[in-house]
Amino acid sequence: GAVVSQHPSWVICKSGTSVKIECRSLDFQATTMFWYRQFPKQSLMLMATSNEGSKATYEQGVEKDKFLINHASLTLSTLTVTSAHPEDSSFYICSAPRRLAGPSTDTQYFGPGTRLTVL
Amino acid sequence: GQQVMQIPQYQHVQEGEDFTTYCNSSTTLSNIQWYKQRPGGHPVFLIQLVKSGEVKKQKRLTFQFGEAKKNSSLHITATQTTDVGTYFCAGSRSGYSTLTFGKGTMLLVSP
Repeated sequence: GAVVSQHPSWVICKSGTSVKIECRSLDFQATTMFWYRQFPKQSLMLMATSNEGSKATYEQGVEKDKFLINHASLTLSTLTVTSAHPEDSSFYICSAPRRLAGPSTDTQYFGPGTRLTVL
Repeated sequence: GQQVMQIPQYQHVQEGEDFTTYCNSSTTLSNIQWYKQRPGGHPVFLIQLVKSGEVKKQKRLTFQFGEAKKNSSLHITATQTTDVGTYFCAGSRSGYSTLTFGKGTMLLVSP
């Protein structure tokens, strides 16, 4: 089946530093990928839509200069948290849609997530 | 904007009891998807419903999509401890648009 990987799986960094998270679709191409953030015991909140070959689309309230997204290829999207602060500590999850034969809809395949802790 | 509400937020059952979580959208949906997230894990796709009034079954899990395509439910018959996790519904207004997730229902099953 479709697999989406994320790297790193966890990261601890100092306040003020930047952290890059990679999301890869391993056996299919994804022109679009989604980045979510999940705080403990809460639901997934969509942060932005990453588009291959064009700028990312950010959800309302998400700072595009703080959360830099680059969709470098059809199988790779990166999220860089710049000047991280403790309030940025969260579980960051990416997903890539895959269009299955039959229903005219996409199925989302989620990466394993990256747990970011900012000290 | 589109809102997806899910209830209950939490349910604790004894093994063998049934469990149901309900999902309601403020707008008509093109499709609804259900995901399960185990503690410490990531969401895993369970099923997708597309047609009005659709009912799908996966072993002990029964998924239903309302006639108006604005609500859905997931019912687990005779829960097992392996069913523990948070169940999310997610809807989209068109087949290829972004998903809006409900807040999830956390299920705890005691042996």
